[in-house]
Amino acid sequence: EAGVTQFPSHSVIEKGQTVTLRCDPISGHDNLYWYRRVMGKEIKFLLHFVKESKQDESGMPNNRFLAERTGGTYSTLKVQPAELEDSGVYFCASSRRYGEGGAPYEQYFGPGTRLTVT
Amino acid sequence: AQKVTQAQTEISVVEKEDVTLDCVYETRDTTYYLFWYKQPPSGELVFLIRRNSFDEQNEISGRYSWNFQKSTSSFNFTITASQVVDSAVYFCALSEASRSKLTFGKGITLSVRP
Repeated sequence: EAGVTQFPSHSVIEKGQTVTLRCDPISGHDNLYWYRRVMGKEIKFLLHFVKESKQDESGMPNNRFLAERTGGTYSTLKVQPAELEDSGVYFCASSRRYGEGGAPYEQYFGPGTRLTVT
Repeated sequence: AQKVTQAQTEISVVEKEDVTLDCVYETRDTTYYLFWYKQPPSGELVFLIRRNSFDEQNEISGRYSWNFQKSTSSFNFTITASQVVDSAVYFCALSEASRSKLTFGKGITLSVRP
């Protein structure tokens, strides 16, 4: 089966511009996650969709970030307006719903989008 | 709050050496899940293993083995007879039963020299 795909692979924008990142999860995966890794730091959780609903958006840094998942399929993450500190690698991951006893399935990650804000 | 610490930042070994990557975690939950991911140069994170908090049995998969010890809150990863293809960044991660999001350590960059 095809893996998680992300587009674009790289994006370089100027401060104040808008950028939209796209993630296509593995077909049939209800869970979709966004994470971000800022240079030299840990990979940090941004938000979690179950189908088209936001289950947990506790990691979203501020209201300049808007995530959507139309029809429970692909997801977009828009940054508007971008700031210098938004630079980093944005990862998307997907997984099946919970397994036996509520155990989480492993998350499959895409290759990431490297965002550079200048 | 949950936290994962990977104290080692970079490790360099010669091919065929054994290497252990350390992972220490903190959580208040009694039910939780631990993971290891590998990030090769291509960039994507590749799932290696998931372990739940009730299963302290060590696991072996080929050259890879994992040692889970609740008493020390550690989930260490050993590569036996390392190979150049093992060169990558390795992440340890934790999720609590109540939420499926992953909390990651900073990662360990492993370089295996021929």
